[in-house]
Amino acid sequence: RKEVEQDPGPFNVPEGATVAFNCTYSNSASQSFFWYRQDCRKEPKLLMSVYSSGNEDGRFTAQLNRASQYISLLIRDSKLSDSATYLCVVNADTGFQKLVFGTGTRLLVSP
Amino acid sequence: DAGVTQSPTHLIKTRGQQVTLRCSPKSGHDTVSWYQQALGQGPQFIFQYYEEEERQRGNFPDRFSGHQFPNYSSELNVNALLLGDSALYLCASSLARHGNTEAFFGQGTRLTVV
Repeated sequence: RKEVEQDPGPFNVPEGATVAFNCTYSNSASQSFFWYRQDCRKEPKLLMSVYSSGNEDGRFTAQLNRASQYISLLIRDSKLSDSATYLCVVNADTGFQKLVFGTGTRLLVSP
Repeated sequence: DAGVTQSPTHLIKTRGQQVTLRCSPKSGHDTVSWYQQALGQGPQFIFQYYEEEERQRGNFPDRFSGHQFPNYSSELNVNALLLGDSALYLCASSLARHGNTEAFFGQGTRLTVV
């Protein structure tokens, strides 16, 4: 079983749609959680950190359920520029930053 | 403020050869991590350097080695290259005392082994 599992997609949605991505992780000792965005042939960039209380940044909302070891990302009012691969990322270590990535979920937003 | 820089951006090597990739961390960062990203996969942790020592390693063979210099820059060396080593190699920098905060990635080195 992979440490971080995501549906690879692709998710094809029209502009303005709401889309949700889910992710599960296997290590219950994981300490911090992130969503990264990666454009084609580019480096990953932090989209947002994920907290148990949930957090929102504009059109993006992230949720963490520690009991179920489940992380989600909701994108509202999708834009063409949201087309990218979204990587679910977990850091299992408190002292170090050893990031464990999912395979990524590809999102394609069409006009 | 310079971000994370990696060199070269692209590289083609032959099976059995050795390669060295380089990374300069973001200004003020002291920790460098290396990741391998195969096509269609998420990045996989290779190892991390702090205070010029490897302090954590992922599931990669000894053919993968590294080094960190006093100025915090780092090198990744891969010996006896295999076709399966073809991937995007990413360097990420962070600040050790801010354990769980953002890692900044370089643009990567795309290695092709033929």
